[in-house]
Amino acid sequence: AQRVTQPEKLLSVFKGAPVELKCNYSYSGSPELFWYVQYSRQRLQLLLRHISRESIKGFTADLNKGETSFHLKKPFAQEEDSAMYYCALSFNTGKLIFGQGTTLQVKP
Amino acid sequence: EPEVTQTPSHQVTQMGQEVILRCVPISNHLYFYWYRQILGQKVEFLVSFYNNEISEKSEIFDDQFSVERPDGSNFTLKIRSTKLEDSAMYFCASAGGSVQETQYFGPGTRLLVL
Repeated sequence: AQRVTQPEKLLSVFKGAPVELKCNYSYSGSPELFWYVQYSRQRLQLLLRHISRESIKGFTADLNKGETSFHLKKPFAQEEDSAMYYCALSFNTGKLIFGQGTTLQVKP
Repeated sequence: EPEVTQTPSHQVTQMGQEVILRCVPISNHLYFYWYRQILGQKVEFLVSFYNNEISEKSEIFDDQFSVERPDGSNFTLKIRSTKLEDSAMYFCASAGGSVQETQYFGPGTRLLVL
């Protein structure tokens, strides 16, 4: 079955520390993966998608098909990065399957 | 920058009542979606809609649910007879010219069924 797993509900780091938000997926086809972010009282918005291979707000994510992972990384966390982060898997029908989400808390 | 809008932001209803949740997608988008998030749980896909018909629906999207695009701009989700377990945040999303394009989400409607 297709599944996205984000093992951490909460990740708390200090400002300037590196961040890694974990995401693992289960999908027999060719996956398309996304990270969405939801800042406090705001809507879900796309942070990045693996096919674009962009770095947005200093975040990067590499698709590792061997480990079926798409971890989100940032070398130096900022307080404004505090938000809920969702990893999502897209099918060729457009449907998105989301992970449970990880709350990132960046402490000053 | 154009955004997806949803109304109302909050809705409280009695069990068994019908509710209609409204969405205005981004104007030149062709693909439309509804998702929901029960408190404390993950965001779940409900239905996708393209070319005036449902392209895919989940197991959650049973006969109590329906979607339509009545006037070419609004995209509605109707729950015919609400149950307590329908209480959730409902998100609308739209995407441009293909299913591969980024989905843009609305702010959500929080539905509470009493």
